[in-house]
Amino acid sequence: SQTIHQWPATLVQPVGSPLSLECTVEGTSNPNLYWYRQAAGRGLQLLFYSVGIGQISSEVPQNLSASRPQDRQFILSSKKLLLSDSGFYLCAWSSGLSWQFFGPGTRLTVL
Amino acid sequence: GESVGLHLPTLSVQEGDNSIINCAYSNSASDYFIWYKQESGKGPQFIIDIRSNMDKRQGQRVTVLLNKTVKHLSLQIAATQPGDSAVYFCAVGGSGGGADGLTFGKGTHLIIQP
Repeated sequence: SQTIHQWPATLVQPVGSPLSLECTVEGTSNPNLYWYRQAAGRGLQLLFYSVGIGQISSEVPQNLSASRPQDRQFILSSKKLLLSDSGFYLCAWSSGLSWQFFGPGTRLTVL
Repeated sequence: GESVGLHLPTLSVQEGDNSIINCAYSNSASDYFIWYKQESGKGPQFIIDIRSNMDKRQGQRVTVLLNKTVKHLSLQIAATQPGDSAVYFCAVGGSGGGADGLTFGKGTHLIIQP
């Protein structure tokens, strides 16, 4: 069966510090991968998606970036965090024409 | 682009009653519709989906209804239980499936009263 992992589960970082969130998927190959951000009381905002290694599409302009160094690994990064980057970050995967499976999420607090 | 809205941010029902959560979407070309359940501090969990060539689909205690004429989607939960307490999101996708992401509504918080 397929599983999706995210780490860390929670993170508290000062403004201006770098960020690296990791997501890995097991039990499937060549998945579509997604990064979402969820602010309190709001829906999910798609940040990036990837259909293959090294292929990243950005949905919103921001100081975040994403990379896909391996087929089942998706990384969300920032060189300098802003207060507005606080939120709940969710990684998801899908296989072709199917629903997206979500990871457990990372709660990021920028102070 | 697509926009997705939910009619009520909060819905409170008695345990054992049926719940109906509604969602409206804007793009008539949308092809794929999903309901997710999200418990506090966790990622969304898939409940049920439906494609535009259907108007009803049933799962275990849940039914999704799709009215393409008025671009309306609903989730019906039968005989609600305490474990149904969560935020429910509808998500809408295009005919390209998941590769271009989904547009999510803001969610309805379902509260089950004993």
